[in-house]
Amino acid sequence: KAGVTQTPRYLIKTRGQQVTLSCSPISGHRSVSWYQQTPGQGLQFLFEYFSETQRNKGNFPGRFSGRQFSNSRSEMNVSTLELGDSALYLCASSLGTGGATDTQYFGPGTRLTVL
Amino acid sequence: AQTVTQSQPEMSVQEAETVTLSCTYDTSESNYYLFWYKQPPSRQMILVIRQEAYKQQNATENRFSVNFQKAAKSFSLKISDSQLGDTAMYFCASASGGSYIPTFGRGTSLIVHP
Repeated sequence: KAGVTQTPRYLIKTRGQQVTLSCSPISGHRSVSWYQQTPGQGLQFLFEYFSETQRNKGNFPGRFSGRQFSNSRSEMNVSTLELGDSALYLCASSLGTGGATDTQYFGPGTRLTVL
Repeated sequence: AQTVTQSQPEMSVQEAETVTLSCTYDTSESNYYLFWYKQPPSRQMILVIRQEAYKQQNATENRFSVNFQKAAKSFSLKISDSQLGDTAMYFCASASGGSYIPTFGRGTSLIVHP
């Protein structure tokens, strides 16, 4: 079974631009979660989608948004980029039906650099 | 709200030796799970071990085992016979039973020396 894939792997943007990141989950997984990882803040939860609906949301500004398609692939969008948005963005997929008993499988991440 | 604290930012160990990574947590939930995740330098994070809070028996996965002290809210990870491939960032995390969203600690960077 193919693992979680994320595209692109690296991205460089300038302040004020917007960016879209993509995540393809493991086949059969219906839940996709997004995390922001920075040296200063660690791993912070952004949002989780299940069956095309946002099921959980972290404490991030409205510039961060996401969506999930009928094939469970997910995208996240960051508008009006700020320097502080530079981070590794991880997505994780799981079956989405077992709560904390579900194992989350992580992708390799997208490294976003904002100049 | 849940909090997870890892008090050791960095640790090192010689190959073949044993190392223990510390983690404390706080939660008001009665049904919760605890996890250790490993993030190697290649960045793909993987689940190492999971402990269900209502199970008194400590979880074990090959060379990885936990010491779960529920009353002390402590959840340490022991790595036996350390290997070079164990070099990674290790994250402790907790989640309530019905939640899909773990709360992560800040991580411990482990380096295994040959």
